[in-house]
Amino acid sequence: DARVTQTPRHKVTEMGQEVTMRCQPILGHNTVFWYRQTMMQGLELLAYFRNRAPLDDSGMPKDRFSAEMPDATLATLKIQPSEPRDSAVYFCASGLAQTAKNEKLFFGSGTQLSVL
Amino acid sequence: AQSVTQLDSQVPVFEEAPVELRCNYSSSVSVYLFWYVQYPNQGLQLLLKYLSGSTLVKGINGFEAEFNKSQTSFHLRKPSVHISDTAEYFCAVTPMDSSYKLIFGSGTRLLVRP
Repeated sequence: DARVTQTPRHKVTEMGQEVTMRCQPILGHNTVFWYRQTMMQGLELLAYFRNRAPLDDSGMPKDRFSAEMPDATLATLKIQPSEPRDSAVYFCASGLAQTAKNEKLFFGSGTQLSVL
Repeated sequence: AQSVTQLDSQVPVFEEAPVELRCNYSSSVSVYLFWYVQYPNQGLQLLLKYLSGSTLVKGINGFEAEFNKSQTSFHLRKPSVHISDTAEYFCAVTPMDSSYKLIFGSGTRLLVRP
């Protein structure tokens, strides 16, 4: 089965450290999303890429977060420096669609980040 | 702007009983509607979606949902639940004038007891 792969599954780090989360979208998918899930805020869209170009990162704190797609098989989300309030589960999702009505997202299993 | 409200944070139910998970949305434009399910330690999976046509849509695992435009609701139902249905369920909308933005509700935890 094709699936979205996220690494690492778990990350514990200290405040101030750089964190890099990786996502391998399903081969052939042209859209990639990063979501953050917390108890307080639920699921929040952080960034959206289409054909590797960032189309929307308005949900991302710009001063410390950055998202990139160096190639079609890899998406990264970096936090530098990390803070305790960044502790959350970060999900990557990919899809293949030109319009919303055909959008079916495939989610990875997430990266559980704990910043101490 | 759009918002999705799932009033019930947790719904406990006995096995083989029917269940309804409520979802209401607010939007100034027409939307497409979705239900996703999240099993423990996993990502979200699409259960079903409403795009147009019949207001009753059927999804995987015996779930169905009914779109009610006048009440801006998209409640999820299953006539008989199994223990394996225990999971978090998320309602989501995408505005028709947007090509991508899925806006999620806060989720409802369905807890099925034997």
